[in-house]
Amino acid sequence: AQSVTQPDIHITVSEGASLELRCNYSYGATPYLFWYVQSPGQGLQLLLKYFSGDTLVQGIKGFEAEFKRSQSSFNLRKPSVHWSDAAEYFCAIRDNDMRFGAGTRLTVKP
Amino acid sequence: EAGVAQSPRYKIIEKRQSVAFWCNPISGHATLYWYQQILGQGPKLLIQFQNNGVVDDSQLPKDRFSAERLKGVDSTLKIQPAKLEDSAVYLCASSLSTGGRGPSYNSPLHFGNGTRLTVT
Repeated sequence: AQSVTQPDIHITVSEGASLELRCNYSYGATPYLFWYVQSPGQGLQLLLKYFSGDTLVQGIKGFEAEFKRSQSSFNLRKPSVHWSDAAEYFCAIRDNDMRFGAGTRLTVKP
Repeated sequence: EAGVAQSPRYKIIEKRQSVAFWCNPISGHATLYWYQQILGQGPKLLIQFQNNGVVDDSQLPKDRFSAERLKGVDSTLKIQPAKLEDSAVYLCASSLSTGGRGPSYNSPLHFGNGTRLTVT
């Protein structure tokens, strides 16, 4: 069965610094991959998705992610983090259903 | 467009009581999901509906959880009787996907704000 792993439970970055959140997937075929963000008390909001084509995917709020088949990874990046980016980030993979990683909590230092 | 609506936002009950959650998906979305999100974890799928039929309920604790989507639109999730370990946020999501690897297969899930359940 498909699955995703997010190795980092919690990451702290300074405002204005770059960010990379890791996601590794396990799937036998071409995966459909997603990144979602969840602010406290809110549902999940889609940041971006990948299912084919260009391996560098642009999303909302200045985020991007790169699909690397050789590394089974789909890492999320942002060149300059804003304080409002503090939230929980979930990587997800889709086959018959949508399966989520455990999440990475992002803290932004002023 | 209106988003996925869920109610109530919060619910506190004692163990062994029953509780029900309601979800109204985005209009036209064929697929509806219920997820359980325990604090500090990612969402875990409980049940997936395609219109008014169940596609996947393999992770639903059927001895105490039930869900229905009778008219293929809104849905209710019930827990009876509740246990302490049921304390979680219950998220409803919907998507355009009509099942199988068709044109809408990669359509994303749209989530409601969830219902936070506390069982004491």
